[in-house]
Amino acid sequence: DAKTTQPPSMDCAEGRAANLPCNHSTISGNEYVYWYRQIHSQGPQYIIHGLKNNETNEMASLIITEDRKSSTLILPHATLRDTAVYYCIVRANDYKLSFGAGTTVTVRA
Amino acid sequence: GAGVSQSPRYKVTKRGQDVALRCDPISGHVSLYWYRQALGQGPEFLTYFNYEAQQDKSGLPNDRFSAERPEGSISTLTIQRTEQRDSAMYRCASSLTTRAEAFFGQGTRLTVV
Repeated sequence: DAKTTQPPSMDCAEGRAANLPCNHSTISGNEYVYWYRQIHSQGPQYIIHGLKNNETNEMASLIITEDRKSSTLILPHATLRDTAVYYCIVRANDYKLSFGAGTTVTVRA
Repeated sequence: GAGVSQSPRYKVTKRGQDVALRCDPISGHVSLYWYRQALGQGPEFLTYFNYEAQQDKSGLPNDRFSAERPEGSISTLTIQRTEQRDSAMYRCASSLTTRAEAFFGQGTRLTVV
C-alpha cells in the first residue's frame, strides 16, 4: 500500500470547519483513500473512503485532488467530541489497514 | 451483539504465563482482524481470517503468537510464554466482507509484569 503523510497535530475552533490534509503521492490506480479516527482509548472508527470522486456522508466530506496525490477530510462543524487522532490510509482492494501516526486534532471551545 | 466484543478488557499476567484473548465479532461478519497498538502509536496488523480460514498471519511477531477462529465466528489470540514486550492494547475488528468498513472492539489491555 502507498505511504501517507499527515501533519502530526492541528487545532481547530469549535463550530468551525476542520480541514485535515493527507499526502499520498505514490497512490496507484486501484487504491482507495480511507479515513478512520480514534477517540482517546477507544477503537478506531471508520469515517469515510473514496477512490477519485469526492464523497460526503453524515460525518464528513472527502475531497480528493484530480491527480489523486492528496486529499482533505473536512469536518464541517467541529465539536469538542471530534477531538481525536485521525488516520489517512491508502488501501488496495484487500483486507489490511496500515495505520500511520495520524493527525492529533484538538477542537477548542 | 451490537458491536465487536473483546474479553477480558484488562489482563495482567506474569512473565512466562500463557494468555488467551477473545474476540466476538459482529454477527454475520465474514472477516476478522487482530491488531496490536502500543501507546501513542497507530494499530499494527497481526492477522486476518476469512470465515474460519487464517488467510494472513504475516503480522504475528513470532511463534509465541497464534490465533484461531474454528467456527468462523469467535476468535482467540493466544500468546505463549509472555514477555514484558508483549504489553500492549490488542484490538479485534470485523467487517461484513473483506473490502467493507472494519468495526473495532474496545480492545484488551495486556500488561506483562
